[in-house]
Amino acid sequence: KQEVTQIPAALSVPEGENLVLNCSFTDSAIYNLQWFRQDPGKGLTSLLLIQSSQREQTSGRLNASLDKSSGRSTLYIAASQPGDSATYLCAVGGSGGSNYKLTFGKGTLLTVNP
Amino acid sequence: NAGVMQNPRHLVRRRGQEARLRCSPMKGHSHVYWYRQLPEEGLKFMVYLQKENIIDESGMPKERFSAEFPKEGPSILRIQQVVRGDSAAYFCASSPPSERGNEKLFFGSGTQLSVL
Repeated sequence: KQEVTQIPAALSVPEGENLVLNCSFTDSAIYNLQWFRQDPGKGLTSLLLIQSSQREQTSGRLNASLDKSSGRSTLYIAASQPGDSATYLCAVGGSGGSNYKLTFGKGTLLTVNP
Repeated sequence: NAGVMQNPRHLVRRRGQEARLRCSPMKGHSHVYWYRQLPEEGLKFMVYLQKENIIDESGMPKERFSAEFPKEGPSILRIQQVVRGDSAAYFCASSPPSERGNEKLFFGSGTQLSVL
């Protein structure tokens, strides 16, 4: 059974800092890995999708890496801004051999202080 | 191109009542997925539907829960005789058809169900 763990559970940083969020998963047989952002009372916004054959994806100030063999992914946020404050979720696709089932971590609550 | 639309945003029900949650996928998407987020828990897969077909309902509770995605209209998640433990945020996601089957999922804003 796939399990996804995100560390830390919460993180508070001053504006302008670079930061790294961590995600680990127990079963390396995955189809893809997605990072989402969840704002309070709102839905999930997909930030980056890494296919199983890829090592990383970049979008603006965000960079996500994937190391299947070690069961790890990181989300790097450069020059953080108060608007980046949200919960960041890591989700692994391919649970139980089904490529459409995402297994989510519980998230990292990020607060960027002005 | 509107995103995944869910309604209502908030739904309050008393124990024993029925709850109906609606989801309209993005234009051009024919695959719909329902996920549930219990308090202090991660999102968990419930069911995967295509038009008029339930593909995988392995995450659905065995009783009181049902889902459909008719030929016309939105997908419906129906919870009969709700109990307090059903209180959660219910998210719908959609994706386009894909032979590879690993397309990105696009999520709606969710319906927050509160059972009194």
